[in-house]
Amino acid sequence: NAGVTQTPKFQVLKTGQSMTLQCAQDMNHEYMSWYRQDPGMGLRLIHYSVGAGITDQGEVPNGYNVSRSTTEDFPLRLLSAAPSQTSVYFCASSLHPRRDIQYFGAGTRLSVL
Amino acid sequence: TQLLEQSPQFLSIQEGENLTVYCNSSSVFSSLQWYRQEPGEGPVLLVTVVTGGEVKKLKRLTFQFGDARKDSSLHITAAQPGDTGLYLCAGGRTGNQFYFGTGTSLTVIP
Repeated sequence: NAGVTQTPKFQVLKTGQSMTLQCAQDMNHEYMSWYRQDPGMGLRLIHYSVGAGITDQGEVPNGYNVSRSTTEDFPLRLLSAAPSQTSVYFCASSLHPRRDIQYFGAGTRLSVL
Repeated sequence: TQLLEQSPQFLSIQEGENLTVYCNSSSVFSSLQWYRQEPGEGPVLLVTVVTGGEVKKLKRLTFQFGDARKDSSLHITAAQPGDTGLYLCAGGRTGNQFYFGTGTSLTVIP
């Protein structure tokens, strides 16, 4: 059972570089989301999607873009990386965002120098 | 400012002791979930509570949702080293956003 798969697991970027964090799920979940986790702040919602072709902003969307062309994939793009984006990023999926289990990936640890 | 504040932020106790973790907000939530996260992994759901005043028990863990649906607590009886981890509460409101608490890092010493 693959569940939610995130790649890469680790990444180091220089300030100004761009990259895409990949997220794929094989559970046919409509709802997918991206969070960042920083010490003492829990998880904060970056962007989310309620289905293919539909995305919306979360609490901390600045500096990040997303798209949802298929039900399975929900990539997160950093257009011009900044040191403030150093964090651990988690992708999650669920049938319904407020009632059902959210399944999380193992995370991507990103450092921006 | 986080919508959900957890206390304490850090907790270190001896095996066999009891503990309570609190999750508080000034906002009302339609549901409240508790997750446990281990180092290097994503959070894993422990329980969902949806009714004000609801109490759920999962072996040695007892979860309570406040009557006004603004707060919740997690009580662990006779803690074991396997309970060590980061405990996160998370609340759902109207719309599709889900808010996580600040987290409580628990260490149970053998």
